[in-house]
Amino acid sequence: AQRVTQPEKLLSVFKGAPVELKCNYSYSGSPELFWYVQYSRQRLQLLLRHISRESIKGFTADLNKGETSFHLKKPFAQEEDSAMYYCALRPTGAGSYQLTFGKGTKLSVIP
Amino acid sequence: ETGVTQSPTHLIKTRGQQVTLRCSSQSGHNTVSWYQQALGQGPQFIFQYYREEENGRGNFPPRFSGLQFPNYSSELNVNALELDDSALYLCASSLQGTGNTIYFGEGSWLTVV
Repeated sequence: AQRVTQPEKLLSVFKGAPVELKCNYSYSGSPELFWYVQYSRQRLQLLLRHISRESIKGFTADLNKGETSFHLKKPFAQEEDSAMYYCALRPTGAGSYQLTFGKGTKLSVIP
Repeated sequence: ETGVTQSPTHLIKTRGQQVTLRCSSQSGHNTVSWYQQALGQGPQFIFQYYREEENGRGNFPPRFSGLQFPNYSSELNVNALELDDSALYLCASSLQGTGNTIYFGEGSWLTVV
């Protein structure tokens, strides 16, 4: 069985400060990892995925298989980054399309 | 705009009643899945449908059931409602296959009293 852990329920940073949202996972195989974001009164939306290795809205995340982590980082936080962030895992292989989510981290950027 | 729409947005039911939630998938998507998100928790996978058949299920009892229709729209049915069923129910659609992005609807808030 797979599991995703986000150790921080709430993270508060000042505008312009670096941000790191932690995500650790447990899975015996080779997973796909994602970060989803939910802004206030909006739907859950994909922020980025490890296989694309892209930067979205200044956020990046690197999959570290040795530490089984997929931390989300941004060098300079903006007020509009305030939202709920969910790390999610999807197993690879036939028929394995379900996402397993962490409990989420609420990011609050202080002006 | 992702195109996944859900109805109703909010509803209140009494314990023991039955509820049906509806979802229209994003155009062209053939796979639909449902998630339950309790307050303060991340979404939990309920089940997935592909070509009108359930092809994956999470740790939910049989009183949670679903349907997928030929036009890829879907329903989630919950019988014998319990207070702990109060949650946000999310529908998500995608194309079948790994590597495809899953898109979520805005959800249906269910309160059981």
